[in-house]
Amino acid sequence: SQQGEEDPQALSIQEGENATMNCSYKTSINNLQWYRQNSGRGLVHLILIRSNEREKHSGRLRVTLDTSKKSSSLLITASRAADTASYFCATVRNTGGFKTIFGAGTRLFVKA
Amino acid sequence: EPEVTQTPSHQVTQMGQEVILRCVPISNHLYFYWYRQILGQKVEFLVSFYNNEISEKSEIFDDQFSVERPDGSNFTLKIRSTKLEDSAMYFCASSESAVLNEQFFGPGTRLTVL
Repeated sequence: SQQGEEDPQALSIQEGENATMNCSYKTSINNLQWYRQNSGRGLVHLILIRSNEREKHSGRLRVTLDTSKKSSSLLITASRAADTASYFCATVRNTGGFKTIFGAGTRLFVKA
Repeated sequence: EPEVTQTPSHQVTQMGQEVILRCVPISNHLYFYWYRQILGQKVEFLVSFYNNEISEKSEIFDDQFSVERPDGSNFTLKIRSTKLEDSAMYFCASSESAVLNEQFFGPGTRLTVL
């Protein structure tokens, strides 16, 4: 089974629309993070939400976490063409060494 | 703004050869990580490193892999005898703490094994 599965796998929207991406996971976590990756580049940390938090905002980003359902969502409001990228959730478990597991990602394409 | 750097950006090697991928983490960070990403696939955790020892490793990180912090700034990943399936992007990351664990990633090294 996979830890950190995102859906949809791909999302295409018009500039100005909101984009919602979901992530599900299977084990207990310390925190959940969202990262962005432009094609062929390194990952950029977007936002971290701790297991005892339910919602967090950062600029146009809103993240929710439901530990009872083991799921999280990332909302990007008023999307821009520059938001086109892959978005990954990453779950962090305290296994003694804090192992980070990434999901398969959602490829977001924002049309200008 | 401080950043994680990686060298080389692209490494081409023959199967069976040893490669060393280099990373310079952010200077005040204490936790270091290696990940790999096979083309078009997810980012896979390889190993985390703290206080000069491995703190966690994945099943991918077998005896062919090793990590080292040879001095106060570099963090290296060595693959002893490369296989075709080792071809991937390898990302180094560092973080200030393990609990909060916001990781800063380097730009990656593309490893091509022929």
